[in-house]
Parts: sequence; C-alpha cells; structure tokens
Amino acid sequence: AQSVTQPDIHITVSEGASLELRCNYSYGATPYLFWYVQSPGQGLQLLLKYFSGDTLVQGIKGFEAEFKRSQSSFNLRKPSVHWSDAAEYFCAVGAPSGGSYIPTFGRGTSLIVHP
Amino acid sequence: EAGVAQSPRYKIIEKRQSVAFWCNPISGHATLYWYQQILGQGPKLLIQFQNNGVVDDSQLPKDRFSAERLKGVDSTLKIQPAKLEDSAVYLCASSPRREGSGYTFGSGTRLTVV
Repeated sequence: AQSVTQPDIHITVSEGASLELRCNYSYGATPYLFWYVQSPGQGLQLLLKYFSGDTLVQGIKGFEAEFKRSQSSFNLRKPSVHWSDAAEYFCAVGAPSGGSYIPTFGRGTSLIVHP
Repeated sequence: EAGVAQSPRYKIIEKRQSVAFWCNPISGHATLYWYQQILGQGPKLLIQFQNNGVVDDSQLPKDRFSAERLKGVDSTLKIQPAKLEDSAVYLCASSPRREGSGYTFGSGTRLTVV
C-alpha cells in the first residue's frame, strides 16, 4: 500500500524568504504525486502534479516540485514566500483505481509566514 | 465552471443522532469521492463512486456510514448513529475519468459531535 510522510508539522518562514516543504512517499510502482494547499475553512486546491516526464514540475502560485526517484521524495519549493501562502500543505501519492487515481494524503505541513 | 458544491457548511449534533451531507460534483465528472479529514490529519478516503456505482468503500465504517449516488450525479453521505470520533470535516471531490486529471474538492462540511 502507498504512504506519504511529511516530516515537518509546522514550518515558519519570513515573507520574501525561500521555502521548501518535504515529502517522502512509499509506493511499489511509478508514483503519481500531488501537492495540495488548504486555506482555513476551504477545500483542497491542487498546486501541481507529477505523472511522468520532466522531474521538475511547475505549478500555480509560483510553486514548483522536484521528483527524485532515488530519494523517494517530491519536495515543494517556492523562491519567495508571500503572506498569503500561509496555509496547510498536503502531499499525496496516487494509486490507480477504476480508471482514475485515488490520492493518499500525508498529514500535512502548516506554513506560517512572518511579516 | 462551477465548483464542487457541498452542504451544509457546518453541523453540530449530539452523539447517537443521525446526519446527512450532500455533494454536487462538477458537471460531467464521472468520479466522486468522499473524504474524512480529522483535525491535524490529512484527508482519508471513505468511498469512491464511478457514475452511480461504488468502486472502493473499503475504508467506510459500514456499520454507521452509508453513501449513495443514485443518478450518477449528486451524492449523499449519512452517519447513523454518530459517535464523538466522527467529528471531522467531510470533503467531497470529483474528477473526470481520464488519466492525468486532477481532483476538485468542495469546501467541506465541518461536523461536530457533542
């Protein structure tokens, strides 16, 4: 069965600083990987996804993530954080099911942005 | 396009009562999911529908939870009777049935069982 580990429960950065959120996965086949963001009281919004091809994936809001098979990682990065980026971030690995993919989520990392 | 609609946004009930949540997916999305998100945890899949058929309900506590998607469009998730540990946000998501597609989540229903 697939699993996702997000080792950092909370991350605090200053506005304008760079950001890296860690994600490690366990999956027996080629993984399908996702990053979602959840603002308070909101549903999850897809930031980016990796299915195949280029291991550096560009997403919305200036985020990118790099798939490293040798490290079983899919870390999320942003070069300059804005106060509006404060939210909960979830990494997920997708397993094929019924013609689609079911994501299994990590526990999430809470991003706090200081002015 | 309109997003995934869920109602109600909030619900407070006493333990042993019943409750129902409603979800209307994006038009044309064949696949619908219900997730449970307990505070401080990532969402956990409860059930997946493909049109009006159940694809995966292995993590649905069937002694108290039920879900249906009768006409392959909107869906209802019910809990009867509720327990304190059912307090969570219940998220609905939908996706078109094609490889590489993402999921669109609704804003969720926050359930508090007291």
